[in-house]
Amino acid sequence: GIQVEQSPPDLILQEGANSTLRCNFSDSVNNLQWFHQNPWGQLINLFYIPSGTKQNGRLSATTVATERYSLLYISSSQTTDSGVYFCAAGEGAQKLVFGQGTRLTINP
Amino acid sequence: DAGITQSPRHKVTETGTPVTLRCHQTENHRYMYWYRQDPGHGLRLIHYSYGVKDTDKGEVSDGYSVSRSKTEDFLLTLESATSSQTSVYFCASWGRDYGYTFGSGTRLTVV
Repeated sequence: GIQVEQSPPDLILQEGANSTLRCNFSDSVNNLQWFHQNPWGQLINLFYIPSGTKQNGRLSATTVATERYSLLYISSSQTTDSGVYFCAAGEGAQKLVFGQGTRLTINP
Repeated sequence: DAGITQSPRHKVTETGTPVTLRCHQTENHRYMYWYRQDPGHGLRLIHYSYGVKDTDKGEVSDGYSVSRSKTEDFLLTLESATSSQTSVYFCASWGRDYGYTFGSGTRLTVV
């Protein structure tokens, strides 16, 4: 089955810094998503991005499907960006496989 | 995003008792899922549904059953709860435009 690996596992930054989170996946997929799990445990859908580039405010994501990786960029970090970021991959509506997450801590 | 609600949000139950968690979505999505989240294991798929009365097992389905009698409702049942089923349970549905969207989760404690 598909394997999903995220790096780094932990990241600690000062407010205002930029960051790049990486997701590698083992097989061809046509569903790739990034989620943010906030400190209250909610899983927020950030991007549905099986290929290409998308931007939403200070966040953007790029997936290079042919090279089996995706990147999540966070610019001008705020303390509210803290939490765990998950990448998940799969085939369409079928079973989504999650990576182990990157824990991001933004210090004021 | 899909409107997905889970109930209850928190539950404490005794070992050996049956427990049913409910997931309700308002987007008429065909596909729905139940995941559990545990420290050190991340999110793992329990069961999923690809239509009314059409369900299949995920990677950690032992001890769980599901039912889907209506498009909007997907129920997860623990027939006889065990302490190893203490976890946070998330329901999700899949839409063509947004992919997976998750509910707020149910924190279940089996004592």
